[in-house]
Amino acid sequence: TQLLEQSPQFLSIQEGENLTVYCNSSSVFSSLQWYRQEPGEGPVLLVTVVTGGEVKKLKRLTFQFGDARKDSSLHITAAQPGDTGLYLCAGPNAGGTSYGKLTFGQGTILTVHP
Amino acid sequence: DVKVTQSSRYLVKRTGEKVFLECVQDMDHENMFWYRQDPGLGLRLIYFSYDVKMKEKGDIPEGYSVSREKKERFSLILESASTNQTSMYLCASSLSVGLGALSYEQYFGPGTRLTVT
Repeated sequence: TQLLEQSPQFLSIQEGENLTVYCNSSSVFSSLQWYRQEPGEGPVLLVTVVTGGEVKKLKRLTFQFGDARKDSSLHITAAQPGDTGLYLCAGPNAGGTSYGKLTFGQGTILTVHP
Repeated sequence: DVKVTQSSRYLVKRTGEKVFLECVQDMDHENMFWYRQDPGLGLRLIYFSYDVKMKEKGDIPEGYSVSREKKERFSLILESASTNQTSMYLCASSLSVGLGALSYEQYFGPGTRLTVT
């Protein structure tokens, strides 16, 4: 069974601070995705990382895929209240008949205070 | 942009009622999924469908059924609602398999918050 463990579970910071969220597994993933879910809404895909060591940037958000493709991190620079939400990492289920199924981490709830 | 819509944002039903949750996607996606999301338990897959009329059980199918008569529409049915089915229900869709990482990018609807009293 593939598992994705996210840390920390909760993060409460002040506007302007930097933060990093981690997504770790003992399994190798062919790719990993990050989603953000705002309160009362569905998750929205932020990025997919595919290659080991890959770094992708989305404005103030930097995503990295570990060299061994077992972990990923999300770094936010100068956090803003609009970054508040639940951050989820997810990776494809292994196996030939996965039909696009994903394994999700438990999520990190980020609160950015003005 | 992919758009996934769900029939209701909020729903209140009584114990024992039959409940229908509908999901429609407009991007010709092959795969569709129903999840429930509960605090501390994360996203749990109820059922998914990889083609019209094709469905497979997810991790927690008990008490639920699904229907996919048309490619764009995937319905979740609670045969006899119970209070432990009070939850946030999320529908998602994705492209067909065989497209690498793109196959796994899921697009979610806004969710239906169901309360069973």
